[in-house]
Amino acid sequence: GAGVSQSPRYKVAKRGQDVALRCDPISGHVSLFWYQQALGQGPEFLTYFQNEAQLDKSGLPSDRFFAERPEGSVSTLKIQRTQQEDSAVYLCASSPHRAPYEQYFGPGTRLTVT
Amino acid sequence: GQNIDQPTEMTATEGAIVQINCTYQTSGFNGLFWYQQHAGEAPTFLSYNVLDGLEEKGRFSSFLSRSKGYSYLLLKELQMKDSASYLCAAPYGGSQGNLIFGKGTKLSVKP
Repeated sequence: GAGVSQSPRYKVAKRGQDVALRCDPISGHVSLFWYQQALGQGPEFLTYFQNEAQLDKSGLPSDRFFAERPEGSVSTLKIQRTQQEDSAVYLCASSPHRAPYEQYFGPGTRLTVT
Repeated sequence: GQNIDQPTEMTATEGAIVQINCTYQTSGFNGLFWYQQHAGEAPTFLSYNVLDGLEEKGRFSSFLSRSKGYSYLLLKELQMKDSASYLCAAPYGGSQGNLIFGKGTKLSVKP
């Protein structure tokens, strides 16, 4: 079956631009997670949804970062006024269970801010 | 605080056995995960240990000691395709939705 998909796979933005990253989780998966992964590092948690409810957003680095999952399926991570330090791979993961069970990761969106 | 430590890099020979260690400090322990991540790809789930002891799954085994805050991933009969980063992760936070990952151990398998 289809896995987690993310789009775009690559995004280049000029500093100050707004970007929107999309995640399509596996159909029927209750939980959805966003992570940020810098080169050579492990993923760092950003935020977690259970259905449409955002249960944890403690990892969002600033108020420029905003995530939503309005219908409990597709999610969008929006970054406003991008900065160079936002350059990273943004990973989305979904899980059929309520946390903390196995998470299935998408291929990620590589964001480069110039 | 929450902390997960694992070695940065390891090298091993094709056909050999390698053990990748992970030590962790988390509040409200609720299991430990191992993920594999090939360069440029998404992490894929390998194992989840909640109870102490060794769990075997084919060529891969994972061990947990909760009292010592210690886990390891054991890879047997190494193949070239096992060259990847191996990530140790533990759930954290009130929602238990937050996974704290280690920085990953980059394993290079040589012929």
